[in-house]
Amino acid sequence: SQQGEEDPQALSIQEGENATMNCSYKTSINNLQWYRQNSGRGLVHLILIRSNEREKHSGRLRVTLDTSKKSSSLLITASRAADTASYFCATAIFTGGGNKLTFGTGTQLKVEL
Amino acid sequence: EADIYQTPRYLVIGTGKKITLECSQTMGHDKMYWYQQDPGMELHLIHYSYGVNSTEKGDLSSESTVSRIRTEHFPLTLESARPSHTSQYLCASSDYTGEPGNTIYFGEGSWLTVV
Repeated sequence: SQQGEEDPQALSIQEGENATMNCSYKTSINNLQWYRQNSGRGLVHLILIRSNEREKHSGRLRVTLDTSKKSSSLLITASRAADTASYFCATAIFTGGGNKLTFGTGTQLKVEL
Repeated sequence: EADIYQTPRYLVIGTGKKITLECSQTMGHDKMYWYQQDPGMELHLIHYSYGVNSTEKGDLSSESTVSRIRTEHFPLTLESARPSHTSQYLCASSDYTGEPGNTIYFGEGSWLTVV
């Protein structure tokens, strides 16, 4: 079963609005990361939140983590058309050799002018 | 921008051909990965390496093979391509700092179509 599941699967908003994406997972994690993927491109790391953190900010991004509910949310404030992309959460579990990342199913965000 | 490069970006090839997808990184990272991603779907780890001469299978079974002879280079090979191998293949690398917080840097991806 999928470790990280995101909702909504797709989201369409107007420029200037806020976009919220949610990620749920099943097992205990060391950290949770959010990545962005433009159509047909590789993934770009956005933000990492450790299991002992509850909230983190980076520019227009705000990430929350609730380990009791095994969920995280990514908020993009004042969205822009350039934010149109797919957003993936990835849960990290530490193994002997380092992090093992498992990616969620992604949320496709479309920001319209 | 991450210094990790994949070639080719796009490849259309006939069934039965042997293909190699190249991946190179100039960051000196020990850990490298190959993910497979179908359009609009999640990423699946198919191979990873913790350093030179180290290769492991990932979560998703794949008929491809990898090698890690040099730190900066992690090619993926399909001996006999089939239409079921049509997908996007993403190479990635990370630096193992000993702390479970390191992030992963991705290449731009290689789109493989087998006809």
